[in-house]
Amino acid sequence: DAGVIQSPRHEVTEMGQEVTLRCKPISGHNSLFWYRQTMMRGLELLIYFNNNVPIDDSGMPEDRFSAKMPNASFSTLKIQPSEPRDSAVYFCASSFRLAAGSNEQFFGPGTRLTVL
Amino acid sequence: AQTVTQSQPEMSVQEAETVTLSCTYDTSESDYYLFWYKQPPSRQMILVIRQEAYKQQNATENRFSVNFQKAAKSFSLKISDSQLGDAAMYFCAYHPAWSNNNDMRFGAGTRLTVKP
Repeated sequence: DAGVIQSPRHEVTEMGQEVTLRCKPISGHNSLFWYRQTMMRGLELLIYFNNNVPIDDSGMPEDRFSAKMPNASFSTLKIQPSEPRDSAVYFCASSFRLAAGSNEQFFGPGTRLTVL
Repeated sequence: AQTVTQSQPEMSVQEAETVTLSCTYDTSESDYYLFWYKQPPSRQMILVIRQEAYKQQNATENRFSVNFQKAAKSFSLKISDSQLGDAAMYFCAYHPAWSNNNDMRFGAGTRLTVKP
């Protein structure tokens, strides 16, 4: 298995531009998570999906952020318009959710976003 | 809400020596899972070790072992015979076993430096 795939690995954009981050979870996994990591705030959960349905988006910082999961093998995190304070590493993770289980999360390599 | 605390922002160890990273957590649940993730400079989050709360025996993975103290809500990671490749950020994480929520709680991380 290729693991969780994220693209792009690096993104540099200018303030005000739209940014779209992409994630392909591990095949067979039914939960997907978007995290943001910064030096100041550490690892923050932005949103997660179970069976393609958003369950908790309380971590999404503002309306400028939106996430979709149109099918079990693809998700996007969009920032529109982007701001310099959005600069961070964005991780996607997936897991196979059981009624009770370890629910270990497998992380992608991350996307380093720089907003100038 | 469950919280995870890593009180050591930075630790260092001499190569071949042993180091222990601390983690405490707060929960009212009786059944849950605990994890240690490693994040090397490559940024990839890698699962190091997992502990089920219902198991009394401490988990061990080669040079990595944990000291799980359920009553004290403590979950420390011991790295024996430290190697240069162990240098990384280490995150402690908690996940309830029975929950409608599927999100994992992470600590702030401990940066481990290994001195040759």
